[in-house]
Amino acid sequence: AQSVSQHNHHVILSEAASLELGCNYSYGGTVNLFWYVQYPGQHLQLLLKYFSGDPLVKGIKGFEAEFIKSKFSFNLRKPSVQWSDTAEYFCAVIQPYGNNRLAFGKGNQVVVIP
Amino acid sequence: DVKVTQSSRYLVKRTGEKVFLECVQDMDHENMFWYRQDPGLGLRLIYFSYDVKMKEKGDIPEGYSVSREKKERFSLILESASTNQTSMYLCASSLTGLGSGANVLTFGAGSRLTVL
Repeated sequence: AQSVSQHNHHVILSEAASLELGCNYSYGGTVNLFWYVQYPGQHLQLLLKYFSGDPLVKGIKGFEAEFIKSKFSFNLRKPSVQWSDTAEYFCAVIQPYGNNRLAFGKGNQVVVIP
Repeated sequence: DVKVTQSSRYLVKRTGEKVFLECVQDMDHENMFWYRQDPGLGLRLIYFSYDVKMKEKGDIPEGYSVSREKKERFSLILESASTNQTSMYLCASSLTGLGSGANVLTFGAGSRLTVL
């Protein structure tokens, strides 16, 4: 079964700082990749996804992620964060031709200080 | 928009009680899932279902069972609740099959269960 690693569980940064959250997965075959976000008191929601094509994908609220197959990575970035980006961020991976089971990382709790 | 509704947002139960968590989705999704979310552990899959009356164990099925009698409804059952089942429980649904529309989960608001 695939596993997903997210490091630096707690991240604290100031507004306008750049954010990068790492995500590494263990499976070497075809994967679909996702970042989900959970704002305080809200549902988990999709931030962005990669299925195929351009490895640089753009999501909502100015976030982007880059799929680097050789590094088994799908890191999330935002060049300038806002206080409203305070949330928990989860990376997830699925093998579409395998067990079709979505595996989540342990999450990154991001706090943006105004 | 797909809606996934979890009937109970907060529950407090006693050890040994039977607990039912209900989840309903309104967009004819084939797949439904139950996860539990714990701080520092992320989301862990308990059970999922690809169709009515079909279920498969996830990564942590022990102490849980599920029921899917209708396509739109997926219930999680704790036969005898224990304190280590205190957690946030998330229901989700998705389309079936492959392709860019599939495999995207829509989550409910969660049910926070406390077992005393």
